[in-house]
Amino acid sequence: GAVVSQHPSRVICKSGTSVKIECRSLDFQATTMFWYRQFPKKSLMLMATSNEGSKATYEQGVEKDKFLINHASLTLSTLTVTSAHPEDSSFYICSARKDSSTDTQYFGPGTRLTVL
Amino acid sequence: AQKVTQAQTEISVVEKEDVTLDCVYETRDTTYYLFWYKQPPSGELVFLIRRNSFDEQNEISGRYSWNFQKSTSSFNFTITASQVVDSAVYFCALSGPGYSTLTFGKGTMLLVSP
Repeated sequence: GAVVSQHPSRVICKSGTSVKIECRSLDFQATTMFWYRQFPKKSLMLMATSNEGSKATYEQGVEKDKFLINHASLTLSTLTVTSAHPEDSSFYICSARKDSSTDTQYFGPGTRLTVL
Repeated sequence: AQKVTQAQTEISVVEKEDVTLDCVYETRDTTYYLFWYKQPPSGELVFLIRRNSFDEQNEISGRYSWNFQKSTSSFNFTITASQVVDSAVYFCALSGPGYSTLTFGKGTMLLVSP
């Protein structure tokens, strides 16, 4: 299988606080993980590509200091939304790619963030 | 630059009808990969299929079938005898060779009513 989990599935926080979202590949090692953001009834927007042991590559327009990504191991990547504001409220989805021989990304169940 | 177009925003069908979701792509890569993902109301994207650019053989998996035609740059998805559980947003996606990222279409919302 290729199972990816995310925690938490839902989080509500106050404006100004930081929120950490975890993405884990449960039954495989993922050298690359991706973080997406999805607005209601919209497609997925790639935020950053995360490779284990190195700095994440952010897409244009995504603030590095706002969305901190850490990929400390082959099975775990974290996204920290720092000093969250209501406009950061969204559905955040991670994905993991098994290895270099395939481009298939397997997605986590997503985290719905609501910033009050 | 890569681009994926899913012209159908929403499709409504009645159970047991067949439905085809269209996907047209643009890429300059000679090697590329095409995907379909299903996103039910729960939000999780479920991987359905991956097709390499050098393999134009159509594929059937149960009620699902995919028609890949390089001549028209299309990778259409057909659900036969649709069921209510098929209701979801379906995304077509494209990636280039190597360590490239996925380019998603805007998705097609399929609503299957009893």
